[in-house]
Amino acid sequence: AQSVTQLDSHVSVSEGTPVLLRCNYSSSYSPSLFWYVQHPNKGLQLLLKYTSAATLVKGINGFEAEFKKSETSFHLTKPSAHMSDAAEYFCVVRGGGADGLTFGKGTHLIIQP
Amino acid sequence: DAGVIQSPRHEVTEMGQEVTLRCKPISGHNSLFWYRQTMMRGLELLIYFNNNVPIDDSGMPEDRFSAKMPNASFSTLKIQPSEPRDSAVYFCASSPGDFGEQFFGPGTRLTVL
Repeated sequence: AQSVTQLDSHVSVSEGTPVLLRCNYSSSYSPSLFWYVQHPNKGLQLLLKYTSAATLVKGINGFEAEFKKSETSFHLTKPSAHMSDAAEYFCVVRGGGADGLTFGKGTHLIIQP
Repeated sequence: DAGVIQSPRHEVTEMGQEVTLRCKPISGHNSLFWYRQTMMRGLELLIYFNNNVPIDDSGMPEDRFSAKMPNASFSTLKIQPSEPRDSAVYFCASSPGDFGEQFFGPGTRLTVL
């Protein structure tokens, strides 16, 4: 069994300040983890993925995430927010065996000018 | 590559009518997924296919919903008869493997009056 919890339904930051979107997971297996972004009226786009290689994963648009097994976390960060980062972000876990992907509820990122 | 293609992009219909949503996955991908997204329930996996065979349809809400994948380049999701509570955005995604990274289409926004 597997699950994912996005700890914040909404995050608001000012443009140019750091972004932190939190995600905790549980999995019976060594998981693969993903972050997807969804802009308004668009489909989901993969930001980055962790698949048991380096624990610090760099993605598109300056985002990165660190896999911390001891904390069962996979938080998404960006040093400096841009207005175009305003979107919904989904943390996704895939366990092993017959488990498919499990999506978090999403975090709505708001960028204040 | 054109990515995952979905049609129509928007559908407005009346309660009781049949609705058919269409998806063309990325060429070479052997897994296809149908999702439904609503404000209340977030993103839900309805069904997924592997090599054109339905593997898990446990997410299909009820018998009014059916999905087919007659060949590797085409899938349909049908709702008959439709109800207002079916109003949602329906996404199709494809993947080159069973449970790796998924590539999402732009979605079909369904409104049932």
